[in-house]
Amino acid sequence: GAVVSQHPSRVICKSGTSVKIECRSLDFQATTMFWYRQFPKQSLMLMATSNEGSKATYEQGVEKDKFLINHASLTLSTLTVTSAHPEDSSFYICSARDTTELAKNIQYFGAGTRLSVL
Amino acid sequence: GNSVTQMEGPVTLSEEAFLTINCTYTATGYPSLFWYVQYPGEGLQLLLKATKADDKGSNKGFEATYRKETTSFHLEKGSVQVSDSAVYFCALIVNTGGFKTIFGAGTRLFVKA
Repeated sequence: GAVVSQHPSRVICKSGTSVKIECRSLDFQATTMFWYRQFPKQSLMLMATSNEGSKATYEQGVEKDKFLINHASLTLSTLTVTSAHPEDSSFYICSARDTTELAKNIQYFGAGTRLSVL
Repeated sequence: GNSVTQMEGPVTLSEEAFLTINCTYTATGYPSLFWYVQYPGEGLQLLLKATKADDKGSNKGFEATYRKETTSFHLEKGSVQVSDSAVYFCALIVNTGGFKTIFGAGTRLFVKA
């Protein structure tokens, strides 16, 4: 099946630094990727929809200058948490849709990145 | 608006017990319905799906039937195993105005040996 690779799986950083998370579709092309945030014991909250070659669409309440998204190719999207603070500590999950299977309404998820900001 | 409501957990069962996790939804249009499973420290994996009324999704012994009349998509398994311990998310996708997945809050399942 389709695989989405997310890296790193875990990152610890100091407050004020920036962290980049990569999301790659390994065996398919993804015009659209999604970034979610998950708080402990809670559901996934959609942060933004990333479209290849264009600007990301952010959900209400998500700071676009804080969470920079780049989707420069059909297989890679990145999320950069800028000037991270302890309240940004969370589990971030990306997902991707296979461009050739849009009618199937299937998303493939990465394994997630646990960010801890000290 | 579109929303998914699933039963609160945690659900604790003994091995080989019968499992039901309730899920109901509200949606405009005709949603596709999904169950995802999340094992500790991992992302979500698609467990099963149904795209229209009366469809039954099934995988790994789990089943769910798309019931339009009751707007439900309850997850069932006849005999759970310890390895089924995870968090289960019910979700829907409505393609009107763009693709967006709406997740339920998740139900944590513990299976005891």
